[in-house]
Amino acid sequence: QLQLQESGPGLVKPSETLSLTCTVSGGSISSSSYYWGWIRQPPGKGLEWIGSIYYSGSTYYNPSLKSRVTISVDTSKNQFSLKLSSVTAADTAVYYCARQVAAAQFDWGQGTLVTVSS
Amino acid sequence: QSALTQPASVSGSPGQSITISCTGTSSDVGGYNYVSWYQQHPGKAPKLMIYDVSNRPSGVSNRFSGSKSGNTASLTISGLQAEDEADYYCSSYTSSSTLYVVFGGGTKLTVL
Repeated sequence: QLQLQESGPGLVKPSETLSLTCTVSGGSISSSSYYWGWIRQPPGKGLEWIGSIYYSGSTYYNPSLKSRVTISVDTSKNQFSLKLSSVTAADTAVYYCARQVAAAQFDWGQGTLVTVSS
Repeated sequence: QSALTQPASVSGSPGQSITISCTGTSSDVGGYNYVSWYQQHPGKAPKLMIYDVSNRPSGVSNRFSGSKSGNTASLTISGLQAEDEADYYCSSYTSSSTLYVVFGGGTKLTVL
């Protein structure tokens, strides 16, 4: 059974870089069938796709966040990671990692709340 | 503002049917059969209920069904049950950028 687990700091200071890692178990991140993505949800608000990565390293980002986002993959650890730079309070959200089965089809991790505050 | 438009809320009584709409454009909902629907209970991760407009993943009740007409996709829940009360989100592939995914703003379903 596929499991995805997000990990990283729950509190980040404004202007710093948010860093999260997603560990995949029960499946290989090197599968040619899937992309691996990050999605976020501000408290009380809707979902926003951040970006996705293929095991080869090809990345696709939400244009509204592209200048601040880096997604990378470590196939040896079966992990992929998110970095979001120059964060503000508007970046406070639950961050989900997910397996992207198809264009709009995701299998989700449990999510992790990241708060941006000094 | 979300790329896909959903009603903020819908409600229904147990046993009734309800439909949630998701309106986009010809660049997303209308142009591709890549519309998914997610159910989210408070404090939980979203759960896939419908993919590729009308397909149900294994384990999802056949009370949930999806359809599309033009630029609007719809999720119908029949035989409404108390546990269906949740937020529902649609999503779609869009050709506005490379492999770009858009979500609706979400609909709160209340079972009266």
